[in-house]
Amino acid sequence: AQSVTQPDIHITVSEGASLELRCNYSYGATPYLFWYVQSPGQGLQLLLKYFSGDTLVQGIKGFEAEFKRSQSSFNLRKPSVHWSDAAEYFCALNTNAGKSTFGDGTTLTVKP
Amino acid sequence: GAGVSQSPSNKVTEKGKDVELRCDPISGHTALYWYRQRLGQGLEFLIYFQGNSAPDKSGLPSDRFSAERTGESVSTLTIQRTQQEDSAVYLCASSLGEVLRGLSETQYFGPGTRLLVL
Repeated sequence: AQSVTQPDIHITVSEGASLELRCNYSYGATPYLFWYVQSPGQGLQLLLKYFSGDTLVQGIKGFEAEFKRSQSSFNLRKPSVHWSDAAEYFCALNTNAGKSTFGDGTTLTVKP
Repeated sequence: GAGVSQSPSNKVTEKGKDVELRCDPISGHTALYWYRQRLGQGLEFLIYFQGNSAPDKSGLPSDRFSAERTGESVSTLTIQRTQQEDSAVYLCASSLGEVLRGLSETQYFGPGTRLLVL
């Protein structure tokens, strides 16, 4: 069965610092991977997705993620964090239509 | 254009009561999904509708849970005889439904219904 692990429950970074959120997946075939952001009181918003081609994927709000098959990872990065990036971030894996498997999320706090 | 909407935004009910949660997908989206998000956890898939095909109900946790969809529009998730462990945020999402099996499609999420069972 497929699974997604986000090892960091909570991360705190200073505004302007770089950010990396980890995501590891378990699946036997080619994964379809997504990163979502959930701000308080709002629904999930897609940041970026990977399903083929270039392993470095660019998303919205200055985020990017790199797919590494050898490490079964899809880590999310941003070179300079803004206070508005404080939110919860979810990594997800699609293997069959509708059956997205989500990680438990990483809560990002941004210090001024 | 309008996004996915859900109602009510909050629902408090007593254990044993039935509740109905509503989802209005984005117009033109043929695929619709329901998820449950317990506090501090990720999303759990519940059910998936695609056009006129039979829904994929494999994620429904018990027979107390059911969902219907009218054509390619509104969907209702019903929880009968609610239990305290049903307390969660219930999220609905929709997608175009154009891509085969929807593997790479972007899902657009509603704001969710926060359910509290006392």
